[in-house]
Amino acid sequence: DIQMTQSPPSLSASLGDKVTITCQASQNINKYIAWYQQKPGKAPRLLIRYTSTLESGTPSRFSGSGSGRDYSFSISNVESEDIASYYCLQYDNLPPWTFGGGTKLELK
Amino acid sequence: EVQLVESGGGLVQPGRSLKLSCAASGFTYSNYVMAWVRQAPTKGLEWVASISTGGGNTYYRDSVKGRFTISRDNAKNTLYLQIDSLRSEDTATYYCAKVSRDGRWFDYWGQGVMVTVSS
Repeated sequence: DIQMTQSPPSLSASLGDKVTITCQASQNINKYIAWYQQKPGKAPRLLIRYTSTLESGTPSRFSGSGSGRDYSFSISNVESEDIASYYCLQYDNLPPWTFGGGTKLELK
Repeated sequence: EVQLVESGGGLVQPGRSLKLSCAASGFTYSNYVMAWVRQAPTKGLEWVASISTGGGNTYYRDSVKGRFTISRDNAKNTLYLQIDSLRSEDTATYYCAKVSRDGRWFDYWGQGVMVTVSS
């Protein structure tokens, strides 16, 4: 099974900052990674798939990049509505689907 | 608009059983792989099980094999998860998720249903 190591577990940012989250897979996942946002008490929401493809409705301040085993997710110009937890998901070698451990973004 | 609405959760004693349901609407349900994903309190997301479009193929994470059964009724647009021999570590919010057309990522999620296992 592919393991996804996500870091950092938590992140503190000011409004307007750029933040970056990384996920490292235990093997090459051929860019088959998605990123989700989850606000407290809510279901996850798909933001990005296939490393960098933004879903409809995802603001352009969100972006993703990477290849092989290493991937990153960034938010430029953090807004208050971006305060949430973020998860990566690998979907290369299925099953199982595997998530990263999550990153909680808080306001500084 | 895609809608997934879970039901059937609650407080259950260890060793008992529970059946979760997920009513789907807003898409051609029978054409999509479906899945259950859970999240223990204050923890991350964990894929639990998935089922093929016709229901003939099912997949489970190792820790639930033999205790969880995923099924679907395409006539009723409903997904199910039968959970037997409940354990405290099954305490979680269970999400129903629709899998993308090519069967790869989770593109829509229900609001989740809480299952608490405690005596």
